Amino acid sequence: AQSVTQLGSHVSVSEGALVLLRCNYSSSVPPYLFWYVQYPNQGLQLLLKYTSAATLVKGINGFEAEFKKSETSFHLTKPSAHMSDAAEYFCAVSFRGSASKIIFGSGTRLSIRP
Amino acid sequence: GAVVSQHPSWVICKSGTSVKIECRSLDFQATTMFWYRQFPKQSLMLMATSNEGSKATYEQGVEKDKFLINHASLTLSTLTVTSAHPEDSSFYICSARGSRTSDTDTQYFGPGTRLTVL
Repeated sequence: AQSVTQLGSHVSVSEGALVLLRCNYSSSVPPYLFWYVQYPNQGLQLLLKYTSAATLVKGINGFEAEFKKSETSFHLTKPSAHMSDAAEYFCAVSFRGSASKIIFGSGTRLSIRP
Repeated sequence: GAVVSQHPSWVICKSGTSVKIECRSLDFQATTMFWYRQFPKQSLMLMATSNEGSKATYEQGVEKDKFLINHASLTLSTLTVTSAHPEDSSFYICSARGSRTSDTDTQYFGPGTRLTVL
């Protein structure tokens, strides 16, 4: 069965520090992988996506993620956290031929300390 | 590009009434739209997949007679919560699948609708 796991429901980092949000997936077929960000009382905004091209994917707002097949991971990173990065982050996976259904992780709340 | 809007952004209604939520793709045509429900501090739960011109496909456990979905055009899908009750209070989010061949694997999300049933 396909699934996605986000390790850590809450991550807190200092402003200017490295952001690392972890995501692992389980799949028997090549996945498409996504990171979305959600600000309070808003919908989801696509940060970046992996669809079998380059394994290192660069997204908006300075975020990037690397697809590692051997580790079944797609961790999200940002070199230097900004206060405006505080939000909920969702890792998601879908599969070719799945009618674009997306399976979401449980989410990670990112807090930024001044 | 790929902007999705929802209306209303929030609604309060009395128990027993029906509420309609609209989801529009503003700058692209979406043959497939999705409706999600999100409880506080939780992830999104897919309710149904809406295909233009055909009946929606509901996920297991979602009452199709309670959550009516209509996808009458390539840019509009509606979710009607019928005979709403307090337990239907939630944040409802729609998404639309990208229309370009290179983008059909991506969903673009609306801003959500906060429903409160008194």
